[in-house]
Amino acid sequence: NAGVTQTPKFQVLKTGQSMTLQCAQDMNHNSMYWYRQDPGMGLRLIYYSASEGTTDKGEVPNGYNVSRLNKREFSLRLESAAPSQTSVYFCASSLRWGVNEKLFFGSGTQLSVL
Amino acid sequence: AQSVTQLGSHVSVSEGALVLLRCNYSSSVPPYLFWYVQYPNQGLQLLLKYTSAATLVKGINDFEAEFKKSETSFHLTKPSAHMSDAAEYFCAVSKQSNYGGSQGNLIFGKGTKLSVKP
Repeated sequence: NAGVTQTPKFQVLKTGQSMTLQCAQDMNHNSMYWYRQDPGMGLRLIYYSASEGTTDKGEVPNGYNVSRLNKREFSLRLESAAPSQTSVYFCASSLRWGVNEKLFFGSGTQLSVL
Repeated sequence: AQSVTQLGSHVSVSEGALVLLRCNYSSSVPPYLFWYVQYPNQGLQLLLKYTSAATLVKGINDFEAEFKKSETSFHLTKPSAHMSDAAEYFCAVSKQSNYGGSQGNLIFGKGTKLSVKP
């Protein structure tokens, strides 16, 4: 039971470098999300994809782009990394878009930007 | 705007003692409320959710939460703490859309770390 798989688990970048965080789910879910978690801040939504072919901004989208490659995969790209983007990133999915839906989370990517 | 406030960033209890983690919400529409748990080095897992069917909601591992509209609260309790309950707990509320009603994404509280002493 893989669930939601994120790669890589750890990454160190220099300021200005770019990278893509990968996320894949094998539960045939329609909706996918990217969150960042910072100490004392809880989780904040970066982008989401309510269904294949759609993406929307969340609470903190600046500095990020996303691609819903297909139903399974949802990637997050940092075009020019900044130290403020040092965080733990979580991908999540849910069966459908709705107020009552349970989110399934990956195990996270710890990103440091020097 | 909707928000959740978790009172106490750290809570410490003895094994076997009552666990009480506090969450107050703000929402102008009927809220959908959730508690998630994060064990060390893992992603979040759903503990329980309130969807207006019943004010007392039972979740996994003997956790439960009671929705109190008059107090705008959704506190999480467990009668007897176990060492394995040590984790960070997040309360969340569904985001309100620009057109009224709720959306399918969540606003999370800042989290409460629970420590359990032997």
